[in-house]
Amino acid sequence: QVLLVQSGTEVKKPGASVKVSCQASGYTFTNYAIHWVRQAPGQRLEWMGWINTGNGNINYSQKFQGRLTITRDTSASTAYMELSSLRSEDTAVFYCARRIGRALDYWGQGTLVSVSS
Amino acid sequence: QSALTQPASVSGSPGQSIAISCTGTSSDVGGYNHVCWYQQQPGKAPKLMIYDVSNRPSGVSDRFSGSKSGNTASLTISGLQAEDEADYYCSSFTNSNTDVFGSGTKVTVL
Repeated sequence: QVLLVQSGTEVKKPGASVKVSCQASGYTFTNYAIHWVRQAPGQRLEWMGWINTGNGNINYSQKFQGRLTITRDTSASTAYMELSSLRSEDTAVFYCARRIGRALDYWGQGTLVSVSS
Repeated sequence: QSALTQPASVSGSPGQSIAISCTGTSSDVGGYNHVCWYQQQPGKAPKLMIYDVSNRPSGVSDRFSGSKSGNTASLTISGLQAEDEADYYCSSFTNSNTDVFGSGTKVTVL
């Protein structure tokens, strides 16, 4: 079965960076794009960016340009999301999700990133 | 990219039908038939309920249906059940080759 397993909770200080992983299994990793979505406590889903896992092409939300880096390791069937210059407002659950067509059909369990001094 | 506009809350009694709207622009909802709807239960990851405006993934109840007119998409839940109580988000592909989510709607079953 399709599974996306994300790395565990992170606690960071303001100004630091965080890198979250998303390991895929149960399908051919390079056949489907991976998207990243953020959800601050009690807030809406916020789209961050996506990576074409086949050719590595990426596209980011303008909101995160300059702070967000999405990469992938095809040998490990894993996608990564790195967010830099963290501030308290970045405290959120970060999700990876597989895209089929233009829909996100399988989601990771979410990774809580807490930013606090 | 601003969030798509959804009502903050919608409620209904068991067995009733409710509709949730999702309003965007010609650069997203109105320009493409790539509107999705997601259901999110508290503390859980979102679940895909509708894709490409009106298509249901395998396993999703046919009580859920989607439609679109101009820049506004809608999700209808028929025969409302207690288990439908959740947050619902629309999303759309945009002309920047990005996605955008809606502001979210809390559905309450009275």
